[in-house]
Amino acid sequence: QSVLTQPPSASGTPGQRVTISCSGSTSNIGTNYIYWYQHLPGAAPKLLIYRNDQRPSGVPDRFSGSKSGPSASLAISGLRSEDEGDYYCAAWDVSLSGPVFGGGTKLTVL
Amino acid sequence: QVQLVESGGGLVKPGGSLRLSCAASGFTFNDYYMSWIRQTPGKGLEWISYISNSGSGRYYADSVKGRFTISRDNAKKSLYLQMSSLRAEDTAVFHCARLAYCGGDCYLPDFWGQGTLVSVSS
Repeated sequence: QSVLTQPPSASGTPGQRVTISCSGSTSNIGTNYIYWYQHLPGAAPKLLIYRNDQRPSGVPDRFSGSKSGPSASLAISGLRSEDEGDYYCAAWDVSLSGPVFGGGTKLTVL
Repeated sequence: QVQLVESGGGLVKPGGSLRLSCAASGFTFNDYYMSWIRQTPGKGLEWISYISNSGSGRYYADSVKGRFTISRDNAKKSLYLQMSSLRAEDTAVFHCARLAYCGGDCYLPDFWGQGTLVSVSS
């Protein structure tokens, strides 16, 4: 059971906008930044969003992040087939003194 | 570019030991905290351990404390995880990850390796 809660699955058609939620508590998301990762089949997990809403260089602006209190969300607009994979949220937990992760959301592009 | 390549995974019997390695390139290794994170189909991602850039600080999840030891060799740009008293529930893909500072005591991964599979079974 993961500390952060994500829906197990999400789906959309090409061109659509999809949102993935991540719910935590005041000891993690409520207090610290949220990070988002994309894990495509056969590849290493890749940082998509850091410090709530910042994109590393090379990440398209189709990906955006937001946070409100102990919850956060990742939005993917202009959905593409290559976006199909698993998405994870992460935050530092001050009670556990370590990173905590969501259980992952499997995104299917229909 | 940043590259992290894990090795050392394999099949081991319960109670056995294994040493994982992670070879880093493309960045100044001794500037960064490093971490091991494991991934299982059932439990998702789980932070295992992290180590400060100098190696003087080492931190472990309760699930592995006393059984796993993290270490690094900055001259060789390598990270290690010595695992002992392995259990079936330790079966997972183990990822090496570079940590980025995110304020206060916060460190989160910004680059990951593809991982190495550890299977614990008799």
